Amino acid sequence: AQTVTQSQPEMSVQEAETVTLSCTYDTSESDYYLFWYKQPPSRQMILVIRQEAYKQQNATENRFSVNFQKAAKSFSLKISDSQLGDAAMYFCAYGNRDDKIIFGKGTRLHILP
Amino acid sequence: NAGVMQNPRHLVRRRGQEARLRCSPMKGHSHVYWYRQLPEEGLKFMVYLQKENIIDESGMPKERFSAEFPKEGPSILRIQQVVRGDSAAYFCASSPALAKNIQYFGAGTRLSVL
Repeated sequence: AQTVTQSQPEMSVQEAETVTLSCTYDTSESDYYLFWYKQPPSRQMILVIRQEAYKQQNATENRFSVNFQKAAKSFSLKISDSQLGDAAMYFCAYGNRDDKIIFGKGTRLHILP
Repeated sequence: NAGVMQNPRHLVRRRGQEARLRCSPMKGHSHVYWYRQLPEEGLKFMVYLQKENIIDESGMPKERFSAEFPKEGPSILRIQQVVRGDSAAYFCASSPALAKNIQYFGAGTRLSVL
C-alpha cells in the first residue's frame, strides 16, 4: 500500500525568507503523481503544484518549486520569498492514474512578520 | 465556470439522526471522490464514483455510510444514525474522465454531531 509521510508537524519562517517542507512516500508503482496542497483557515483545498513521476525535471509554479528525488522517494516543497498569505496547512499527496489521492498528515506553516 | 460546490458548509446533527452531504462536480466532470478529514489530520479517501456507478468504496465504513452519484443531480454522501465520531470535515473532489489524477476540491462540509 502507498503511504505519504510528512515528518514536520509545524514550521515557521520569517516573511520574505525561504522555507522547505519535507515529504517522503512509499510505492511499488513506477507511474504516479505527487502533489502539494495548501489548506488555509477557510479549509479550501488548493492545489499548489503537481509532479509527474516520469518527468525528471522538477515542477515550478512561481515562488513554489519541488525537489523530486524518485530513487529516494522524496518530494519536498520550497517556498521562496514567503508571504503572510502562505500561512496554511500544507499536505503532500500521492496519486496514480486510477483513482484516489493519498494524503500525508500535513505541515502547519507559520509566517513571521 | 463554477468550481466544485458542496452544501451545506456546516451541518449540525444530534446522535442518531441522518446526515446528507451534497456535491455538485465541476461542469463536464463525470468522476466524484469523497474524502474525510478528522481534526489535525490529512484527508482520507472514502469513495470514488462515476455517474450511477461506485468504482471504489474501499475507504467507506461498512455500516451507516453510503454514497451515490445519480444520472441527474449532485452526488450524495449519506450517513445514517450519526455518532460523535462522525464529526469531521467531508470533502468532495471531481475530475474529468481523461485526467482522473487532477482532482478539484470543494470547500468541504463540516459535520458536527452533538
